[in-house]
Amino acid sequence: GENVEQHPSTLSVQEGDSAVIKCTYSDSASNYFPWYKQELGKRPQLIIDIRSNVGEKKDQRIAVTLNKTAKHFSLHITETQPEDSAVYFCAASIGGNEKLTFGTGTRLTIIP
Amino acid sequence: SAVISQKPSRDICQRGTSLTIQCQVDSQVTMMFWYRQQPGQSLTLIATANQGSEATYESGFVIDKFPISRPNLTFSTLTVSNMSPEDSSIYLCSVGTGYNQPQHFGDGTRLSIL
Repeated sequence: GENVEQHPSTLSVQEGDSAVIKCTYSDSASNYFPWYKQELGKRPQLIIDIRSNVGEKKDQRIAVTLNKTAKHFSLHITETQPEDSAVYFCAASIGGNEKLTFGTGTRLTIIP
Repeated sequence: SAVISQKPSRDICQRGTSLTIQCQVDSQVTMMFWYRQQPGQSLTLIATANQGSEATYESGFVIDKFPISRPNLTFSTLTVSNMSPEDSSIYLCSVGTGYNQPQHFGDGTRLSIL
């Protein structure tokens, strides 16, 4: 089955700086890659996703890049703000069955 | 996106008992899933709840321990049977919105076993 690795497990950045979280996946058949943000005690919320026919996608301060050849994808958050502090999960799905395999998570802390 | 209601939101149970968690969606959805999130950990898929047929379980999860029902396209239940302290987790339902489309989560059920 699919295996998703995520790094780093914890990340602290100064407010205003950029944060990058990286994930690798094992199954070349995976073609959908969402990112979720989970605040303490809350549900995971989708913040951005990318499909395998696209190399990069942006939404305001958040961007995701995908390298299918290397089987890795990354989340980029620019101009970080205190409200960006949360746990971020990447995930991968093999097209057709919609099942998500999650990475291990990254705890992002924004230092004011 | 769909509104997903999950209940109970939390419960404290005695070992050896069973608890049924409900997931209600405000619109018809094709796919419903159940996940477990152990304290401080990632999400692990328990099973896909199939409407009108038996759920599809992932490796390490069995129907006797986690029976699932999906009587229609808006509702599903997960039962955690014969509970032990190791079952203390957050259980989350999610709904799929289509091929390569976002999956959305309910608020989860925080379960503690004494």
